[in-house]
Amino acid sequence: GAVVSQHPSWVICKSGTSVKIECRSLDFQATTMFWYRQFPKQSLMLMATSNEGSKATYEQGVEKDKFLINHASLTLSTLTVTSAHPEDSSFYICSATTRLAGGNEQFFGPGTRLTVL
Amino acid sequence: AQSVTQPDIHITVSEGASLELRCNYSYGATPYLFWYVQSPGQGLQLLLKYFSGDTLVQGIKGFEAEFKRSQSSFNLRKPSVHWSDAAEYFCAVARQGAQKLVFGQGTRLTINP
Repeated sequence: GAVVSQHPSWVICKSGTSVKIECRSLDFQATTMFWYRQFPKQSLMLMATSNEGSKATYEQGVEKDKFLINHASLTLSTLTVTSAHPEDSSFYICSATTRLAGGNEQFFGPGTRLTVL
Repeated sequence: AQSVTQPDIHITVSEGASLELRCNYSYGATPYLFWYVQSPGQGLQLLLKYFSGDTLVQGIKGFEAEFKRSQSSFNLRKPSVHWSDAAEYFCAVARQGAQKLVFGQGTRLTINP
């Protein structure tokens, strides 16, 4: 149980285009989803927290207009990187939590590797 | 602000040897503490967690961790490593009752045959 999927697993795009990454909780309803960014050989940095049906809360320094997060249902959250540039190339990881897990354990997706040319 | 330090960026041990990965945190109160493992192509997997109670926590895959309040540490241990344990290990903390995780820099574990 508690499986989180991400799609796509990797994507290459041209500079200036937008890319959408999906995060799905497959066998549970996720009350909260999180989006992280991980640079090579570095730690995970939280970008934003999203609760179903409400606006995402972004961490300091994360551009809201560049990284659009939508959490339209209890099983799906999307991250759209708008007008992507090479410096946005990174590994994006989502996680989800549920009240049934006490809300304290996050279940992580496998990540999406974004390369912007 | 909370912070987590994993002093060892890379550790190499021989298969069958014991392992200890260090984690120190900085926070005013006792936080929730976690250890995750990240293997290539896979998501982070929770090895174990500490919320309260017994300071020696048993996890999956034969791992354990000990919370030491006096040292603000939560070190991960395994008595005998297997080649499949090669991965990146992350220590993380969260304020009690909160969901937001703060991760350490990670420790990459290499296993020599």
